[in-house]
Amino acid sequence: GQQVMQIPQYQHVQEGEDFTTYCNSSTTLSNIQWYKQRPGGHPVFLIQLVKSGEVKKQKRLTFQFGEAKKNSSLHITATQTTDVGTYFCARVTGGGNKLTFGTGTQLKVEL
Amino acid sequence: DVKVTQSSRYLVKRTGEKVFLECVQDMDHENMFWYRQDPGLGLRLIYFSYDVKMKEKGDIPEGYSVSREKKERFSLILESASTNQTSMYLCASTYGGGRGGPGELFFGEGSRLTVL
Repeated sequence: GQQVMQIPQYQHVQEGEDFTTYCNSSTTLSNIQWYKQRPGGHPVFLIQLVKSGEVKKQKRLTFQFGEAKKNSSLHITATQTTDVGTYFCARVTGGGNKLTFGTGTQLKVEL
Repeated sequence: DVKVTQSSRYLVKRTGEKVFLECVQDMDHENMFWYRQDPGLGLRLIYFSYDVKMKEKGDIPEGYSVSREKKERFSLILESASTNQTSMYLCASTYGGGRGGPGELFFGEGSRLTVL
């Protein structure tokens, strides 16, 4: 199966800096979901994007879906230590009930 | 609140043993999934089920089987455990999403399996 590529794999930032992770696909995505996994925890759903060019915000987090629906991004403004974790995107494949996850971006925030 | 419960948080098994990982959800979700998580590889789908007694292979089904006899329970079976199956196993469930695909996944706490 085709995994979704995420970049970067790791990111270290100073608290207060911005952070962006990208999710790229060679094929058109019907929709994209984003999850966050805290260290030692399990993935927790953040958001789903469906429409071409869609932009959604959750406080300091901004999610975008590309116009061609082949890529998506998650941007965090002014990171805090509570943002530490691994961020995954996930796409629907295989006829509609199968969710395939990206490789994830691990974010570390230093004081 | 949705609750997805995995029977064991930590297991240590020997090569060749049969291993059962159990997952139960309490929200009447149609879809259930088994993933394994390894560093640098993200979450890889092993099997999923969209209804009782229905199952479909994910991206890495080799060496695994599943059982879904009741809607709330989805079991992952390693017929003969091998060292390369040492991993974190995550179960998840969601309602059927219709044309839009599955809805948000609710994950269990994970089962960390070590095969010696």
